[in-house]
Amino acid sequence: GESVGLHLPTLSVQEGDNSIINCAYSNSASDYFIWYKQESGKGPQFIIDIRSNMDKRQGQRVTVLLNKTVKHLSLQIAATQPGDSAVYFCAEKPGGFKTIFGAGTRLFVKA
Amino acid sequence: EAGVVQSPRYKIIEKKQPVAFWCNPISGHNTLYWYLQNLGQGPELLIRYENEEAVDDSQLPKDRFSAERLKGVDSTLKIQPAELGDSAVYLCASSLSPSGREFFGPGTRLTVL
Repeated sequence: GESVGLHLPTLSVQEGDNSIINCAYSNSASDYFIWYKQESGKGPQFIIDIRSNMDKRQGQRVTVLLNKTVKHLSLQIAATQPGDSAVYFCAEKPGGFKTIFGAGTRLFVKA
Repeated sequence: EAGVVQSPRYKIIEKKQPVAFWCNPISGHNTLYWYLQNLGQGPELLIRYENEEAVDDSQLPKDRFSAERLKGVDSTLKIQPAELGDSAVYLCASSLSPSGREFFGPGTRLTVL
C-alpha cells in the first residue's frame, strides 16, 4: 500500500516554546476525543481527552481544544520539553466504542 | 498497578509460519482490544472483546488471523500462515468499559522474512 505513514507531518519547536498540534476528524457523530503520545518502541500513552459537550479541557501543561463546527481538534503543550519529543495521535470514538486514530504528528524538540 | 502486558516483544519468523501473541490486560478491565500498527501510521482495530465475547471483529482477516479470550481475561492473537505484509506492531489495549479510555501495552513487533 501507499507509504503515507513515512511522511508523517512534523513539528519542530524550541525547548521552552509552546507547541500546537492540529487534527481534523471525520465523523460528526464522534462524541469522545483523545490525544495519545507514542514514543519509539512503546505503545500509545494517554495524554488528555475531551467529550463533545466541551470545547476546552486543560491538564498539566496540556490543553485540548475542540471545534465541532469545523471538526477540528488541537493539542497545546506549554513550555515544551525534550521529553515531549514523540509522535502524537488524535483519536475519535464515534458512538463510544471503536477508536479511530489519525495519522499522527511527529514532534521534535530542539534543545 | 501493572499495565497491559504483552509478549513476546519481538518476533521474527519466515513467511508461511504460524505466530502467536499474548496479552494480559489491566486487572478488572472487561474490554480488550487488538490493534495493528504499520510503520508511521496510527493503530487500526483488529478485534474488540467484551469479557470473552468478540463484539467487533469486522477488521480481522479471518482467513489467516484468529483470536481468543477464553476466560475473559488474557487473550491470544494468532496468524497462520504469516505473510510478508503482516510485518507490523501488534498492540493490545484494555479499558474498564467499551466507551472508556484505552490503556495500551508496549506491543509486539513482528517481522516476517
